[in-house]
Amino acid sequence: DIQMTQSPSSLSASVGDRVTISCQASQDISNYLNWYQQKPGKPPKLLIYDASNLETGVPSRFSGSGSGTDFTFTISSLQPEDIATYYCQQYDNLFTFGPGTKVDIK
Amino acid sequence: EVQLVESGGGLVQPGGSLRLSCAASGFTFSSYSINWVRQAPGKGLEWVSYISSSSSTIDYADSVKGRFTISRDNGKNSLYLQMNSLRAEDTAVYYCTFGRGHWGQGTLVTVSS
Repeated sequence: DIQMTQSPSSLSASVGDRVTISCQASQDISNYLNWYQQKPGKPPKLLIYDASNLETGVPSRFSGSGSGTDFTFTISSLQPEDIATYYCQQYDNLFTFGPGTKVDIK
Repeated sequence: EVQLVESGGGLVQPGGSLRLSCAASGFTFSSYSINWVRQAPGKGLEWVSYISSSSSTIDYADSVKGRFTISRDNGKNSLYLQMNSLRAEDTAVYYCTFGRGHWGQGTLVTVSS
């Protein structure tokens, strides 16, 4: 089974700050990685697919990079509406989700 | 418009059974594999089960193997999850999801006496 780790588990940043979240897979998953945003009471919303592709309609301040086992998710300029939990997910072999990163405004 | 609508959740006693449904519309259901994913209250996302488009390939998380059964009816555009021998730790919102970022709104299953 493929395991996913994420860091940090939570962060607090100011509006306008650059925010970076890391995700690591336990084995090579090529670029089969999604990034999701989830707000309370809602299903996850896809932001990035195939590690670095921005989903249609998602603001360009969100971006992703990486391949193999190490991936990065970035919010270039944090906005109040970005308060949420962010998950990475591998789909190279079934699904595995990272434990999530809770993002707050300082 | 793609839609996934889960139903069948509710309160059930430990050891009981429940059958979840996911009604699909707005796409060719029979062409896509589909998954169940759950989220316990205040916790992260956990993949539960997978079924291929023709039902030829099925897989389960170890935590539900032997207790849950996934199935689909392509003629009715519906996905199912039969959950038996339910435990308190199965309490969660259950989502059906497929393709690139398509998720239902979820249905809450509460296992409690």
